[in-house]
Order: sequence, then C-alpha cells, then structure tokens
Amino acid sequence: ILNVEQSPQSLHVQEGDSTNFTCSFPSSNFYALHWYRWETAKSPEALFVMTLNGDEKKKGRISATLNTKEGYSYLYIKGSQPEDSATYLCAFRAGNQFYFGTGTSLTVIP
Amino acid sequence: KAGVTQTPRYLIKTRGQQVTLSCSPISGHRSVSWYQQTPGQGLQFLFEYFSETQRNKGNFPGRFSGRQFSNSRSEMNVSTLELGDSALYLCASSFGFRSVDEQFFGPGTRLTVL
Repeated sequence: ILNVEQSPQSLHVQEGDSTNFTCSFPSSNFYALHWYRWETAKSPEALFVMTLNGDEKKKGRISATLNTKEGYSYLYIKGSQPEDSATYLCAFRAGNQFYFGTGTSLTVIP
Repeated sequence: KAGVTQTPRYLIKTRGQQVTLSCSPISGHRSVSWYQQTPGQGLQFLFEYFSETQRNKGNFPGRFSGRQFSNSRSEMNVSTLELGDSALYLCASSFGFRSVDEQFFGPGTRLTVL
C-alpha cells in the first residue's frame, strides 16, 4: 500500500488571502497525479491531471505544480473566496490504481 | 451530458445482510472504479472495471465483489455485512484506464450497517 500524505489537514483563511497546501507521494513508479475539489454534499470534481516533472497547471485562481523527483505537488489558491471552501484531494496513480490522500479541508471566512 | 449516477443514495442494513449498489457511468465511458471512504481515511480503492472485465482489485476481503455490464453500468455487492462496512461508497467513470484519464465521480451511496 502506497502512502500519499496531504498537509495541512485543515486550514482556515480570510477571504482574499492566498493559500497553498501539499501532497506528498512516493517518488518512484510515478504515472500521474490528480487533484480534486470536493465540496460538501457534492461529488469530487477533477481540477488537474499532472504527469511531467516541473508541470504547472492553472485554472482561474487555482494552480498546481509537480515535482516527481522529490515526490510532491503544491496546490495554490490566489485570493481565496468563500466558494473555494472545500476539501482538496490528491490522488497518485501507480500501476493500475489510484492512491488518495486524506485531503486538506479549506474554509474561507468571509 | 448526464453525470455519473449512483443508486441508492442512502441505505441502512443490519449485520449479516448483503447489499448491492449500482453505478451508471457517463455515456461513452467504459471504465468504472469503486472507492470506499470511512471517517479519517482517504478514498480506498475497491476495484476497477473496463469493458466488463475487472482490471484491478484493491485490498478488500472477498465479501466485496463487483461486475460490469455490456452497457458499462456497474454493480458492487457486499455480502455478510459488518459494522465496519458503514461508509460512503463512490464510483467514478472515465473514458479509459490510462493514468491520465480524468475520473468523474458520482454522488455516492451512504451505507449504514446496524
């Protein structure tokens, strides 16, 4: 069983603050890393699929970077808004399955 | 395009019973994966199906089984339910099974075992 760790476990920020969190994964046998946003009472929604070392992806105010050599990915949110409140999950693809972290729960306070 | 649907959304069973959960993928998607989420745990992989064949199985006992039909719909069965099987069960569909194929999740089935 591969270990995927996310930190911090939870985060409270003020509206307008920028924030970032980390996903750590084994640096060997890397296939892909997926980021998801999971809002309460909804389904997890895919944010990014990252495959190459040094990858940077951006969607609006959210961006992500990938370092496969050291086994981590950062997710950044610029100018957080209340609608960004959600749990952010990363999933490491190795072999034939995904290994999920336990997520970072983000609360944006208006 | 309709999203991934799961039925039922909520289920209450007692220990020893069995349960069947259903997942209908997005039209055109041939891969369906199942996950279990319990409090404090990340999503745990159960199994993945592609074109009616189980491609991979997670580390769960044989009481957990699944299948996929020719229309890509998938069912998951849990026999002899235990209290620890209480969880949110999510299915996800994707076009294929490549590592870069985006997964689309359903709303989940919340199973409570009493």
